[in-house]
Amino acid sequence: KNEVEQSPQNLTAQEGEFITINCSYSVGISALHWLQQHPGGGIVSLFMLSSGKKKHGRLIATINIQEKHSSLHITASHPRDSAVYICAVSGSARQLTFGSGTQLTVLP
Amino acid sequence: DTAVSQTPKYLVTQMGNDKSIKCEQNLGHDTMYWYKQDSKKFLKIMFSYNNKELIINETVPNRFSPKSPDKAHLNLHINSLELGDSAVYFCASSQDSGNQETQYFGPGTRLLVL
Repeated sequence: KNEVEQSPQNLTAQEGEFITINCSYSVGISALHWLQQHPGGGIVSLFMLSSGKKKHGRLIATINIQEKHSSLHITASHPRDSAVYICAVSGSARQLTFGSGTQLTVLP
Repeated sequence: DTAVSQTPKYLVTQMGNDKSIKCEQNLGHDTMYWYKQDSKKFLKIMFSYNNKELIINETVPNRFSPKSPDKAHLNLHINSLELGDSAVYFCASSQDSGNQETQYFGPGTRLLVL
């Protein structure tokens, strides 16, 4: 069992839909990261959070430390949001431990 | 200006060869990392350097040797390449090696071993 589990693995949505991607982890962490991997392969950090909620544009990330769970929400989804979204955690070992990613496809 | 750059972007080579991948960051960061993304797109840490010193060395074959000539560069040298080394290798950097630092990724190097 991976230390970081994501669901769903694949998600297809219609343009404009509200999207939620979930991440659960089984280890102690100091921070949780949400990353986006574009179809071309590049990886961009979207959020880093250790408590509460962060918002950037149409993206919202939340974390519940007690439940060891985080969600990434996309409001008013658009085809350009199509990408792989990766949850990762950092702990005392300093490096990132990754989930297996969620492939999101937003159809026009 | 590219923050974290890697060269080459693509690398196709024969089994048994030795190859290097170069990484440079112009962000003034203290810590650099190498990650491997396998054919199932799963990312895993390989190495981490802080101010030219190795701080993480996950269980990778000793055919892989990172080299950091200065804190802006972290190169990855691979000896005696094997088919299983085919993957995408990402370099990343962060301000320091603390646990709550955003990491900035390079564009990746796609290695194919034939």
